[in-house]
Amino acid sequence: DGGITQSPKYLFRKEGQNVTLSCEQNLNHDAMYWYRQDPGQGLRLIYYSQIVNDFQKGDIAEGYSVSREKKESFPLTVTSAQKNPTAFYLCASSIVAGVSQPQHFGDGTRLSIL
Amino acid sequence: RKEVEQDPGPFNVPEGATVAFNCTYSNSASQSFFWYRQDCRKEPKLLMSVYSSGNEDGRFTAQLNRASQYISLLIRDSKLSDSATYLCVVSLNTNAGKSTFGDGTTLTVKP
Repeated sequence: DGGITQSPKYLFRKEGQNVTLSCEQNLNHDAMYWYRQDPGQGLRLIYYSQIVNDFQKGDIAEGYSVSREKKESFPLTVTSAQKNPTAFYLCASSIVAGVSQPQHFGDGTRLSIL
Repeated sequence: RKEVEQDPGPFNVPEGATVAFNCTYSNSASQSFFWYRQDCRKEPKLLMSVYSSGNEDGRFTAQLNRASQYISLLIRDSKLSDSATYLCVVSLNTNAGKSTFGDGTTLTVKP
C-alpha cells in the first residue's frame, strides 16, 4: 500500500540531545513537509521541500534541521537549540503541479522531553 | 490577524442535526482550498477539496465565496462518527503547494 511512514511513534529527548524523526513515502510525491502541532492548536510549518536536495524554511524553523537526499525520505532533526520540543510532529507529502494538490500525512511522532 | 481563521467552536450537536462551519482567509491570491478531518491524537485526513462551483460528497457540502474570502463546510444528518476537529486549509499555487492550516473547529455529535 502506498503511504507515508513516520518513525518512531513516540520519542523522548534528553536535555542537550539532538534527535531525528524519520519520514518515508512511497507515493512518488515530489514535495514533502514537516509540521508541528501543540495541544489544542493548529499545524505550523517547520520545513518543506519541493525537490531532492532543496528545502525551505517554514514559519518555525529555528531549532530544527532537515535533509532531502532522496525523493522518498525527508528526516527532521530536532536540535538542542529547540528549547520547547514537546509536540506532535507530522510529515506530509504532495504532488507538485501547477495547482496546489492536497497533502497526505503520516501518522505522526510524539516527542517529549525526559 | 491570522491568515486563516475558523469558527472557534466547540460545536455540540445531536445526532441528525445539520451543522455548518465557516473559515475566512486573508490572502485574496489564494487558489486552492481543502477541508481536513482530524481525530483526537491522529493525523489530519483529507475530507474534501473545495471547488469554485461548490461540491458535495454525500452528507458533506463545501462552498467557496471568493468575494467575501471564506469557505464553508455543511454536514447534514450528523452521525456520532462525525465527531472530530475540522481543519480548513488554504493554498497559493506557488511554493510547492505550501499551505496554511486553520486552528480547527471541534465538533461533538451526541446521541
